[in-house]
Amino acid sequence: AQSVTQPDIHITVSEGASLELRCNYSYGATPYLFWYVQSPGQGLQLLLKYFSGDTLVQGIKGFEAEFKRSQSSFNLRKPSVHWSDAAEYFCAVIYTGGFKTIFGAGTRLFVKA
Amino acid sequence: DGGITQSPKYLFRKEGQNVTLSCEQNLNHDAMYWYRQDPGQGLRLIYYSQIVNDFQKGDIAEGYSVSREKKESFPLTVTSAQKNPTAFYLCASSTLLGGGAADTQYFGPGTRLTVL
Repeated sequence: AQSVTQPDIHITVSEGASLELRCNYSYGATPYLFWYVQSPGQGLQLLLKYFSGDTLVQGIKGFEAEFKRSQSSFNLRKPSVHWSDAAEYFCAVIYTGGFKTIFGAGTRLFVKA
Repeated sequence: DGGITQSPKYLFRKEGQNVTLSCEQNLNHDAMYWYRQDPGQGLRLIYYSQIVNDFQKGDIAEGYSVSREKKESFPLTVTSAQKNPTAFYLCASSTLLGGGAADTQYFGPGTRLTVL
């Protein structure tokens, strides 16, 4: 079955340090890939998306993600984390010809001073 | 401003009661979705709708019902048949259903339902 895996349930980083959140999707047709962020008690906000073209995608709030087809990965990065980045992050995928957005289980980010 | 609204933000229900969660969008999106979110489980699809007067079951439709009488509205009813309804419910919408680039989903702020 098609799936999305976020291997890290939670991650703690120091403010100002770099961040990488991992996302792997199961092999399938060309995927459309997304990262969303959710603050506690809120809906999901789209950070960035990849459909085609340049495999390095820039998003809002200083985030970027790189699509690596050979590794079936779409990892999210930020060079310097701010305390306001503490939230839960979801990776998601839609496969070409499908309709359903498949979400990962999420990674909760904690930021320490 | 365009967006998706959900009401109420918090909802309390006694066991055995049906409750209806509201979802409205003014983005002129064709497709709408309902998800349930439980701690540590990500999002699970309850129902989705491509067009007015049509909707399909998602992965966990049992104990829920929906209607789509207007393009901008997609209310979810949590019935007494839903055995464990306490959760956070998210509504989303997108422009096109079918795996195209326009299928990016945009989310409302959510409704937290608690069964007493």
